[in-house]
Amino acid sequence: GIQVEQSPPDLILQEGANSTLRCNFSDSVNNLQWFHQNPWGQLINLFYIPSGTKQNGRLSATTVATERYSLLYISSSQTTDSGVYFCAVEDYGGSQGNLIFGKGTKLSVKP
Amino acid sequence: SAVISQKPSRDICQRGTSLTIQCQVDSQVTMMFWYRQQPGQSLTLIATANQGSEATYESGFVIDKFPISRPNLTFSTLTVSNMSPEDSSIYLCSGWLPDRGTEAFFGQGTRLTVV
Repeated sequence: GIQVEQSPPDLILQEGANSTLRCNFSDSVNNLQWFHQNPWGQLINLFYIPSGTKQNGRLSATTVATERYSLLYISSSQTTDSGVYFCAVEDYGGSQGNLIFGKGTKLSVKP
Repeated sequence: SAVISQKPSRDICQRGTSLTIQCQVDSQVTMMFWYRQQPGQSLTLIATANQGSEATYESGFVIDKFPISRPNLTFSTLTVSNMSPEDSSIYLCSGWLPDRGTEAFFGQGTRLTVV
């Protein structure tokens, strides 16, 4: 099956710093989403981005489907950005809506 | 955007007992899924909840341990049966809205601790 790899696994930032999180996937995908999991376990949709670039406030994401990677950019990080960021893909040949998750990047933003 | 209400948000249960988790969606969804997230790990799919028929389970998960119901297009339950401490995890349900492409939405999660 499709493999999803995220890097780095852990990231510690000082408040105000910028960061880039990466997601590599091993095969063609129908769907790619970025999620933020807060300390209470809730999974929050950040971007639905199977291709192209999107921006939402301090966050932006780019997916280059032909090269099988996606990047999540966080600018001017805040302590509330702390948590785990997951990339998830829907296998092109798999069941619709069935997302395969990477192992996540754990982000800690220090004041 | 769709909202999935999941409850309970957390529970502490005795080993050997069962817990039923409920997910209610505010609109009809074609497909619903249940995931497990063990401590410090990523999400793993347990099963696809099929409306009006038996759920489709992934390798390593069985109906006797994780019975699932989906009586209509807006509601589903997952039961964790005969629990042991190894079942301590976050359980999440998700729904898929085809009219929004293939963007999946998630409930708030249920943090289960088995003692």
